Amino acid sequence: SQKIEQNSEALNIQEGKTATLTCNYTNYSPAYLQWYRQDPGRGPVFLLLIRENEKEKRKERLKVTFDTTLKQSLFHITASQPADSATYLCALDMGNQGGKLIFGQGTELSVKP
Amino acid sequence: EAGVAQSPRYKIIEKRQSVAFWCNPISGHATLYWYQQILGQGPKLLIQFQNNGVVDDSQLPKDRFSAERLKGVDSTLKIQPAKLEDSAVYLCASTMLLSNTEAFFGQGTRLTVV
Repeated sequence: SQKIEQNSEALNIQEGKTATLTCNYTNYSPAYLQWYRQDPGRGPVFLLLIRENEKEKRKERLKVTFDTTLKQSLFHITASQPADSATYLCALDMGNQGGKLIFGQGTELSVKP
Repeated sequence: EAGVAQSPRYKIIEKRQSVAFWCNPISGHATLYWYQQILGQGPKLLIQFQNNGVVDDSQLPKDRFSAERLKGVDSTLKIQPAKLEDSAVYLCASTMLLSNTEAFFGQGTRLTVV
């Protein structure tokens, strides 16, 4: 079955730096890969979706890359701010399973002022 | 636009008791999901509905969990009897399309089984 690994350790960075989070998966490449943000006590909130035939997607300070050869997605937050502190979840949509999402365990990001 | 509504927000029960959670998805979203999120882990799908039909319940522990979406709108998830390992956050999500689309999540119900 599909396995997903995100940065196992929490990520601590200084305000203004770029945060880079990693999502690695095994087996088959998903048709779509999504990133979500989750704050304590809240449900996940959608950030970005990238398709298997796309290499890169950007939205404001966010950038996602998708390498189906490496079976990896990278999620970047440039000019990070303390308000970016949260847990970030990577999710795979295989495209042929009715839209169900397979989530990684999440990476906790802490941005210090 | 109103988001996905869930209730209750918190529930504490003793093991072997029963509990029910309610979800009202975003209006017009035909697909509804229930996920279980154990502390420190990502959400795991329990069941998926398309309108009022079940699309995927392969990971639902059917000996104790049940779910329904009778009129294709709101849904309930029930656990009977609860076990200690059922302590988790239960998240409801809805999507407009079946795939290639963002999921909208509710705030979740935090269940503690003692």
